[in-house]
Amino acid sequence: GAGVSQSPSNKVTEKGKDVELRCDPISGHTALYWYRQSLGQGLEFLIYFQGNSAPDKSGLPSDRFSAERTGGSVSTLTIQRTQQEDSAVYLCASSLVVGRNTEAFFGQGTRLTVV
Amino acid sequence: GNSVTQMEGPVTLSEEAFLTINCTYTATGYPSLFWYVQYPGEGLQLLLKATKADDKGSNKGFEATYRKETTSFHLEKGSVQVSDSAVYFCALSPYNNNDMRFGAGTRLTVKP
Repeated sequence: GAGVSQSPSNKVTEKGKDVELRCDPISGHTALYWYRQSLGQGLEFLIYFQGNSAPDKSGLPSDRFSAERTGGSVSTLTIQRTQQEDSAVYLCASSLVVGRNTEAFFGQGTRLTVV
Repeated sequence: GNSVTQMEGPVTLSEEAFLTINCTYTATGYPSLFWYVQYPGEGLQLLLKATKADDKGSNKGFEATYRKETTSFHLEKGSVQVSDSAVYFCALSPYNNNDMRFGAGTRLTVKP
């Protein structure tokens, strides 16, 4: 597709359930990022994939969060045993590594509500 | 580590007022610097960028100058419009990778 696609756009889940959020980056983009945007808050970095390198997981808030990127393309963010504080908009972005002129393109996000 | 600090909002201005949103950064080497904007109900999109010291990024009447000596990249616009109401994010990309980091965002509301 022409842009970064995320699915679902909205997800309501019960506390304690697991959820999977999907991101389809722009074709050919080797860098992929996950961020979290809580209500009234800024962007919180979660994880960063770059090509075949080991991902930078330093932003994952707990071991309930994990992410993978298959074949260097599609990425899935998994949250296990969801808690109410996990409610937020989860944003995915991708970029083409072209030296210093990297621009990150964002998806529309997945709004997660844990009830 | 690499990080970005931007002024807290919200910022409320009248139409045609002058806008400044401060942004400072911490990074090794010479990062690339960005401003992203998120209009209501939309995703983040790039507003402007600068890749080396003293570069000025500009777009839609907004400007920001990469100041190495003060490690700053303040966003300015001489005359804001109601349509500029949005959340603005300062961001950096380190010189040796593309691990982008964002500031907390500043919400701007422009009143007619």
